[in-house]
Amino acid sequence: AQSVTQLDSQVPVFEEAPVELRCNYSSSVSVYLFWYVQYPNQGLQLLLKYLSGSTLVESINGFEAEFNKSQTSFHLRKPSVHISDTAEYFCAVSGPGDGGSQGNLIFGKGTKLSVKP
Amino acid sequence: KAGVTQTPRYLIKTRGQQVTLSCSPISGHRSVSWYQQTPGQGLQFLFEYFSETQRNKGNFPGRFSGRQFSNSRSEMNVSTLELGDSALYLCASSGGNRRVQQYFGPGTRLTVT
Repeated sequence: AQSVTQLDSQVPVFEEAPVELRCNYSSSVSVYLFWYVQYPNQGLQLLLKYLSGSTLVESINGFEAEFNKSQTSFHLRKPSVHISDTAEYFCAVSGPGDGGSQGNLIFGKGTKLSVKP
Repeated sequence: KAGVTQTPRYLIKTRGQQVTLSCSPISGHRSVSWYQQTPGQGLQFLFEYFSETQRNKGNFPGRFSGRQFSNSRSEMNVSTLELGDSALYLCASSGGNRRVQQYFGPGTRLTVT
């Protein structure tokens, strides 16, 4: 069975400081990996994804994540955070589905990022 | 394109009642997945529908059911509501052959009293 572990439930950080949100997964098959962000009272927004190819993936708002197969990790990083990055971040892995589809996601418990001025 | 829409956004029900939630996917998307989000259990997969057929199912009791219509709109139903069913129910749609990337709606906040 696949699982995702987000090692930190809360991460407080000062504005303009770097941040790393950690994510480890377990799977016996090839997977797709995702980071989603959730702002209060909203749904989930895709931040970035790893499907194949380059192990370093980037988002349009400065986040990046690196797929490390040997360590089964997909940590999220940003070199300088803003107040507006305050949100909850979820790491997810796609599960096996019917006909090779990836229709169900397995999520970690989430990490609440709190950026302080 | 319009995003995924869910109705209603908020709902209050009492124990024992049943509830139906609705989800309209992005135009052209044929896959709809449902998730339950609670503070204790986090985000959990309920089921996925593709072309009116349930393709995957999570580990939830039979009180949770769903269906998909020919226009890809989906409904989920919870019968005999329990207090523990209070949650944010999220719907996601995806397109393409492998349906990899999911786009989430804003969710329906269900409170059971």
